[in-house]
Amino acid sequence: LAKTTQPISMDSYEGQEVNITCSHNNIATNDYITWYQQFPSQGPRFIIQGYKTKVTNEVASLFIPADRKSSTLSLPRVSLSDTAVYYCLLNQGGKLIFGQGTELSVKP
Amino acid sequence: EPEVTQTPSHQVTQMGQEVILRCVPISNHLYFYWYRQILGQKVEFLVSFYNNEISEKSEIFDDQFSVERPDGSNFTLKIRSTKLEDSAMYFCASSGTLRQGAKLDNQPQHFGDGTRLSIL
Repeated sequence: LAKTTQPISMDSYEGQEVNITCSHNNIATNDYITWYQQFPSQGPRFIIQGYKTKVTNEVASLFIPADRKSSTLSLPRVSLSDTAVYYCLLNQGGKLIFGQGTELSVKP
Repeated sequence: EPEVTQTPSHQVTQMGQEVILRCVPISNHLYFYWYRQILGQKVEFLVSFYNNEISEKSEIFDDQFSVERPDGSNFTLKIRSTKLEDSAMYFCASSGTLRQGAKLDNQPQHFGDGTRLSIL
């Protein structure tokens, strides 16, 4: 069973900020929160990982509240090429358990 | 940026035949993984490998499957006698260096673009 819950799909328009929220009520002390992006017929691509508070890199930000029971991936100013499936995972070392992810559709 | 590479990109094999899928992980990584994704379904964990032995394996990874790191760069997945239901995308991933600040086995896994295995 996936340890995270996220919306099945989201729609957005080019240039908008997209926030995808993920619930992980049973997160363990050693778990890191990790987000991946997957395009059809390609491997999951690592986006960002965090443990607490806020993490930012060149493509996204990750917001994690103090209780760590949820997290929000923020994609600034999305483009058509950001249309993909986004997975929220808990990384405690070893296997990653993938759910169905969030299918993001960016429209012109 | 270093990446995980997988060959071949597409493998077509007759049912019952042996197949070997090859991966070159990122060079300074220490953990290696295989996952598979049947068309239209979720990515599923198969096996993890560290220090030249299997760390963990799933129920899918039965006696027909084996993994090997035959030299310092390649990581292979062998399916001994393929079945129709083995048709899927197979992804290799690697993680873990001694330089990054996070605990070794919490470091992000980096995936290759997969081998599409078609069993006829």
